[in-house]
Amino acid sequence: RKEVEQDPGPFNVPEGATVAFNCTYSNSASQSFFWYRQDCRKEPKLLMSVYSSGNEDGRFTAQLNRASQYISLLIRDSKLSDSATYLCGWYNNNDMRFGAGTRLTVKP
Amino acid sequence: ETGVTQSPTHLIKTRGQQVTLRCSSQSGHNTVSWYQQALGQGPQFIFQYYREEENGRGNFPPRFSGLQFPNYSSELNVNALELDDSALYLCASSLLAGGQDTQYFGPGTRLTVL
Repeated sequence: RKEVEQDPGPFNVPEGATVAFNCTYSNSASQSFFWYRQDCRKEPKLLMSVYSSGNEDGRFTAQLNRASQYISLLIRDSKLSDSATYLCGWYNNNDMRFGAGTRLTVKP
Repeated sequence: ETGVTQSPTHLIKTRGQQVTLRCSSQSGHNTVSWYQQALGQGPQFIFQYYREEENGRGNFPPRFSGLQFPNYSSELNVNALELDDSALYLCASSLLAGGQDTQYFGPGTRLTVL
């Protein structure tokens, strides 16, 4: 099992749609989790950190389920500008791992 | 912009050569992490430097080495380059060691090994 596995994608959705990504992790000792977005040929930028049972930031909601070892990202009312690759990952004792990313394209 | 800068932007090397990549951290940040991102993959953690000491390492061979300077800028050195080393190399700076603090990525150095 990969250390971090993400939905294979790509996701192609219309503007205004709600889309959800899942991410599973194998290291049960992982301490904190995060979602980054990465635009084509650009660096990753932090979208949300997920430290406990989940958190919300505007149209974005991240959930953590430690028992099942997965985190999710929900995007409501998708915008064209949400088109990007979304990377999930975890941190544990100075070790950080990312998934391969899920590509999202929001279409008019 | 994050304030993290990397140089050079692009680099072409041949197998067996050595390369040095540079990163300047965001002002006030004392921690720098390096990542390798192959095409279509997520960033793979190479190592982290905190106050000039290596503070964690991923699954990379010893030919990947680094330095951090008193001003917290950092270098990544790769010896005996292999074709599979072709990738985007990202550095990220943060205020706290480990990774619990937000990491701000630089624009990356794209390395091609021929």
